[in-house]
Amino acid sequence: DTAVSQTPKYLVTQMGNDKSIKCEQNLGHDTMYWYKQDSKKFLKIMFSYNNKELIINETVPNRFSPKSPDKAHLNLHINSLELGDSAVYFCASSLRGGAGAYEQYFGPGTRLTVT
Amino acid sequence: SQELEQSPQSLIVQEGKNLTINCTSSKTLYGLYWYKQKYGEGLIFLMMLQKGGEEKSHEKITAKLDEKKQQSSLHITASQPSHAGIYLCGGSFWGTYKYIFGTGTRLKVLA
Repeated sequence: DTAVSQTPKYLVTQMGNDKSIKCEQNLGHDTMYWYKQDSKKFLKIMFSYNNKELIINETVPNRFSPKSPDKAHLNLHINSLELGDSAVYFCASSLRGGAGAYEQYFGPGTRLTVT
Repeated sequence: SQELEQSPQSLIVQEGKNLTINCTSSKTLYGLYWYKQKYGEGLIFLMMLQKGGEEKSHEKITAKLDEKKQQSSLHITASQPSHAGIYLCGGSFWGTYKYIFGTGTRLKVLA
């Protein structure tokens, strides 16, 4: 069984469109994350939810809106897509969040291409 | 500013050779994590280090954290093509939710 799954794996869309990426984890973890990996492979956190509550919200345009209907799901909705949004988006989860030491489990990534 | 720096940025080694990747933090770490990313895939957790001077090994990979908890090294012994990929260190810091990743090291192993 896949621990952290994301859909879709690839997403090609035009500028100005609105799109969503879904993430689900079946590990029973409390905390979920969204990361963006740019073309240089630099991985940067965007959001983190702990038990459906937003705990990390880095400097991300408000066109990006995360939604967590329950602690096993964290979706990412992007409005008015721009060329600079092209990247690989990774979902991850950890047993708990907040200050502490914990490993994260990553999904396979969603490669978003905006044309 | 980026708080976790990795070196080297890329590494090409002949199969069977040993290699070391370094990760340096500008602040004292609460936890240091090593991940591996195969090309086009997600990150796979390798090891977590928490205590100063701690060392962990898994198969041919050994990770160490210095006493000050600001530097870590990842050592691969007798490298194989299956070790190829991008290695990233991650760090968590006391008193903050922040969890950041290093700049990554791209490893290629020539058969």
